[in-house]
Amino acid sequence: EIVMTQSPATLSVSPGERATLSCRASQSVSSNFAWYQQKPGQAPSLLIYGASTRATGIPARFSGSGSGTDFTLTISSLQSEDFAVYYCQQYNNWPWTFGQGTKVEIK
Amino acid sequence: EVQLVESGGGLIQPGGSLRLSCAASGFTVSSNYMSWVRQAPGKGLEWVSVIHSGGSTHYADSVMGRFTISRDISQNTLYLQMNSLRAEDTAVYFCARERPMLLWGQGTLVTVSS
Repeated sequence: EIVMTQSPATLSVSPGERATLSCRASQSVSSNFAWYQQKPGQAPSLLIYGASTRATGIPARFSGSGSGTDFTLTISSLQSEDFAVYYCQQYNNWPWTFGQGTKVEIK
Repeated sequence: EVQLVESGGGLIQPGGSLRLSCAASGFTVSSNYMSWVRQAPGKGLEWVSVIHSGGSTHYADSVMGRFTISRDISQNTLYLQMNSLRAEDTAVYFCARERPMLLWGQGTLVTVSS
């Protein structure tokens, strides 16, 4: 099983600032990699797939990069609606696996 | 409208069985990857199972041999049959469409407790 490790566990950021979230896979997942956002009481929603492609309707302030084992999600200027938990996921190998999540909170 | 609606959750005793349903509208379940993902209270996401458009299935190690994913094309519905339930299976269960998971249902809560 591929283990996905996210860092940091919690990120405290002021509105308008930049946030950088990381995810590392225990072995290569090529670009079969996604980021999801989850707000309290809601289902997750897909932000980024293919490591760097924004899903439909996702604002340009969200960007993804990386391939192989190291991936980054950058939120260029945090808005109030961006404070949430973010999960990475690989869909290259069975079983698909998620990271443990990074909570982005208001500083 | 394209949506997924889960049902079938509830309180069940350890060792019991439960079948979850996920009714799809606006698309055909048989033409997509369809997954189940769960989230224990206060915890992160755990992928559980998937069924391909061709009918192949895959499972997480934690549910292998106890859970079975299936679909009914006539009902356009995805199912998760859960047997030999354990306390650690307590979670909100989401169904989701595609690879990666683009469309999610709202989830149904399964509580395994005596």
